[in-house]
Amino acid sequence: DSGVTQTPKHLITATGQRVTLRCSPRSGDLSVYWYQQSLDQGLQFLIQYYNGEERAKGNILERFSAQQFPDLHSELNLSSLELGDSALYFCASSAQPRDTQYFGPGTRLTVL
Amino acid sequence: ILNVEQSPQSLHVQEGDSTNFTCSFPSSNFYALHWYRWETAKSPEALFVMTLNGDEKKKGRISATLNTKEGYSYLYIKGSQPEDSATYLCAFGPYSSASKIIFGSGTRLSIRP
Repeated sequence: DSGVTQTPKHLITATGQRVTLRCSPRSGDLSVYWYQQSLDQGLQFLIQYYNGEERAKGNILERFSAQQFPDLHSELNLSSLELGDSALYFCASSAQPRDTQYFGPGTRLTVL
Repeated sequence: ILNVEQSPQSLHVQEGDSTNFTCSFPSSNFYALHWYRWETAKSPEALFVMTLNGDEKKKGRISATLNTKEGYSYLYIKGSQPEDSATYLCAFGPYSSASKIIFGSGTRLSIRP
C-alpha cells in the first residue's frame, strides 16, 4: 500500500459525459501527478500540482482539467468524453517534485 | 527536452536465467535515478533511488548500478522467476528541486517457465 488513494476504482460512462476522478496523496506529500495509461501503452504524463499550484503540463487534452485543493487532494475532470478516453488513470504523489513518486491503485475509466 | 531511454523495449527470458537492461539519461543536471517495477494490473512500485556515481543497490535478486558521468544505469535480475515478469521503468531526477522526475518508456520483461 503506497498511501495514495484514488476513487472510484472503476467508472463506466457514456460518450459526451463528464466525470471526476479523485486522488488523496500520501500524508505530507505536496506534489500530485496524473498519468494516463491507454490500452497496452506506457505512462503518459498529464499534469502536476505542487502545494495547490499547477507546476507542469504534459499531453493533457483541453477537455481535461485538474486542480489541487488546500487539503492537498486533487481531482481530474474529464469532459465531453470520447471512446478513446477509456484508460487507466493513475495519480502519484511525492514530497518534493524531484523525489520518488508513489502511485495510487488507479481508476479504470470505460467510455461506452 | 530531457530524454530518458530504456533498452531493450521488451525481453523474453527463460526461468532461471539472469538478465539485465539499460536506462540512458542526461549526464548533466543530474540529481537522482529511480527504478520502478510495474506489474500487469497493478500500479508502478518504487524499487531503488540512486544519487551517487558508482552507487549500487540490491533488493533480493534484483540489483542496479549507476554511472552518472556517462549517463546510464543497469538493472540486473539474477535467476529470473515468473514473478519477475513486469515492466521496469527508470526515471531521471533533475538537479532542480522544482522539476519533476522524467520516466522512460520501460522494458517489458517476460519470464518463460
